[in-house]
Amino acid sequence: EIVLTQSPGTLSLSPGERATLSCRASQSVSNHYLAWYQQKPGQAPRLLIYHASSRATGIPDRFSGSGSGTDFTLTISRLEPEDFAVFYCQQYGGSPPWTFGQGTKVEIK
Amino acid sequence: QVQLVQSGAEVKKPGASLKVSCKASGYTFTSYGINWVRQAPGQGLEWMGWITAYNGNTDYAQKFQGRVTMTTDTSTSTTYMELRSLRSDDTAVYYCANRPSASYGLEVWGQGTTVTVSS
Repeated sequence: EIVLTQSPGTLSLSPGERATLSCRASQSVSNHYLAWYQQKPGQAPRLLIYHASSRATGIPDRFSGSGSGTDFTLTISRLEPEDFAVFYCQQYGGSPPWTFGQGTKVEIK
Repeated sequence: QVQLVQSGAEVKKPGASLKVSCKASGYTFTSYGINWVRQAPGQGLEWMGWITAYNGNTDYAQKFQGRVTMTTDTSTSTTYMELRSLRSDDTAVYYCANRPSASYGLEVWGQGTTVTVSS
């Protein structure tokens, strides 16, 4: 089973700042099948990025994903007030289980 | 539009069984796989397993093997997740989500079903 470790646990930033979130895998993620989700309190997660760097439908271009192998990054270029939430990475390459990271909370400083 | 609508909240006693439904609309049901993910209170997301809608093939996380069964009813475009021998640590919000293709993530999510296991 691939273990995903996200860092930092919490990121305290102000609107307009840049956010950089990390997701590290215990072994290489097949085909770069790595996704990022945003979850706000009381809501279901929302897909932001799939295949490591492809934006899902309707996702603003301030969200970008990069990485390969075992190291992946989600970048939010300029935080908007509605961006503050918890972010999860998930790997879905190869055989299941398709595990999630433990999450990074982006909070208003 | 593509939508997944789940059944309502449940309260169960330890040892009981649970069956949550997830009804799909707005797309060809047999084209996508359905994943099940749960989230305990204040915790992260946990992948439970998935089912391919067109042939009913399943893969379950080892943690749930022997306790979970996922099925589909193509006549109603509905997927079911049954979890048996419930324990208090099964208290969680349970989500279904579709996955359009092998390269895609979990695109559309149900609204979640809150399950409380308590004596």
